[in-house]
Amino acid sequence: DVKVTQSSRYLVKRTGEKVFLECVQDMDHENMFWYRQDPGLGLRLIYFSYDVKMKEKGDIPEGYSVSREKKERFSLILESASTNQTSMYLCASSLSGDEQYFGPGTRLTVT
Amino acid sequence: DAKTTQPPSMDCAEGRAANLPCNHSTISGNEYVYWYRQIHSQGPQYIIHGLKNNETNEMASLIITEDRKSSTLILPHATLRDTAVYYCIVRVQAGANNLFFGTGTRLTVIP
Repeated sequence: DVKVTQSSRYLVKRTGEKVFLECVQDMDHENMFWYRQDPGLGLRLIYFSYDVKMKEKGDIPEGYSVSREKKERFSLILESASTNQTSMYLCASSLSGDEQYFGPGTRLTVT
Repeated sequence: DAKTTQPPSMDCAEGRAANLPCNHSTISGNEYVYWYRQIHSQGPQYIIHGLKNNETNEMASLIITEDRKSSTLILPHATLRDTAVYYCIVRVQAGANNLFFGTGTRLTVIP
């Protein structure tokens, strides 16, 4: 059974903190994605990666960075968390051109 | 990617067929229609996709009109566990491009 896991379901951080969100997939997929989901806005792509050490900006990359040192792991980094980054963060992976498999999400609150 | 239009909400009686419509009048010849759903507090789940022929799998059927400007997702016997937000997405299949999730249709299955 395919599996995408995220390091935390719920996270509370203070403004200005550095935040790491981890995502791991066990399907040997090349592509991995980070989205955020906000009420009324649907899912918006932050960054994606199509190979180890490769990354591409999505629609809303500002305030975020990513790291992909191993094929199975894709990390999202908030260098200095702000309250407008309070959101649900979803990680996904896919084989090229195929359907995306999503993790359960991390609900991040920045106070 | 072409945009889609879906009704914001629908109700369906348990055990009956749920028919979820989607308009995608600007779809291009090489774009597929994908359906995902998101159950509350979970990540989105892939359901089905198609190009121009009707498709069926263990979860649902997808009916695409001949002009490909609209489609219908059919859940043949809706259960309470099918209560979710359903997203219709149009995209080119190949490549690591992201999925554009709109606001979807909130389906409520009523006992």
